[in-house]
Amino acid sequence: EDQVTQSPEALRLQEGESSSLNCSYTVSGLRGLFWYRQDPGKGPEFLFTLYSAGEEKEKERLKATLTKKESFLHITAPKPEDSATYLCAVRNTGGFKTIFGAGTRLFVKA
Amino acid sequence: DAGVTQSPTHLIKTRGQQVTLRCSPKSGHDTVSWYQQALGQGPQFIFQYYEEEERQRGNFPDRFSGHQFPNYSSELNVNALLLGDSALYLCASSGGLAGVETQYFGPGTRLLVL
Repeated sequence: EDQVTQSPEALRLQEGESSSLNCSYTVSGLRGLFWYRQDPGKGPEFLFTLYSAGEEKEKERLKATLTKKESFLHITAPKPEDSATYLCAVRNTGGFKTIFGAGTRLFVKA
Repeated sequence: DAGVTQSPTHLIKTRGQQVTLRCSPKSGHDTVSWYQQALGQGPQFIFQYYEEEERQRGNFPDRFSGHQFPNYSSELNVNALLLGDSALYLCASSGGLAGVETQYFGPGTRLLVL
């Protein structure tokens, strides 16, 4: 069965302190891996789609990477406005269902 | 360019009642998926609609049903509401030139069942 596990559950950083969020996944065949940002009480905001191992994508202070079993979301020199929950999700090649992890809650202190 | 819109934003119902939530997809998208998100959890896939048909369904009972209209908008209906149905209900759209994989979410409808 397809599964997504995110770690850590919560991460507290000082402003400027770079770190990485982990997403481990199990899927029969990967159609795509997705990263979203979600602010409290709002819908998820799309960040990246990765399709194959070795792929990397960047946006401002965020960089997403993909291996055959994991994806990492690297945050460089974070700012307080980066505080949010970051969700990882996968879709397999055999259907249309997207499976989400429980998310990592990121807190960045000024 | 309007993104995904949902209505209403908040809703309070009592156990046993029925509710209808509405979604308009992002311009150019033809596929709509619905998710349930409990507090502190990731979204859980309910079902996906394409060409006015339910294309795939997650692990949700038949009390959850949906519909897609010719203009690609969609409704989620939940019958015989239970306390456990209290959650944020999210609509996501995809498809067209943007591709079928990447989904864009609306702001959600917060449902409280008393």
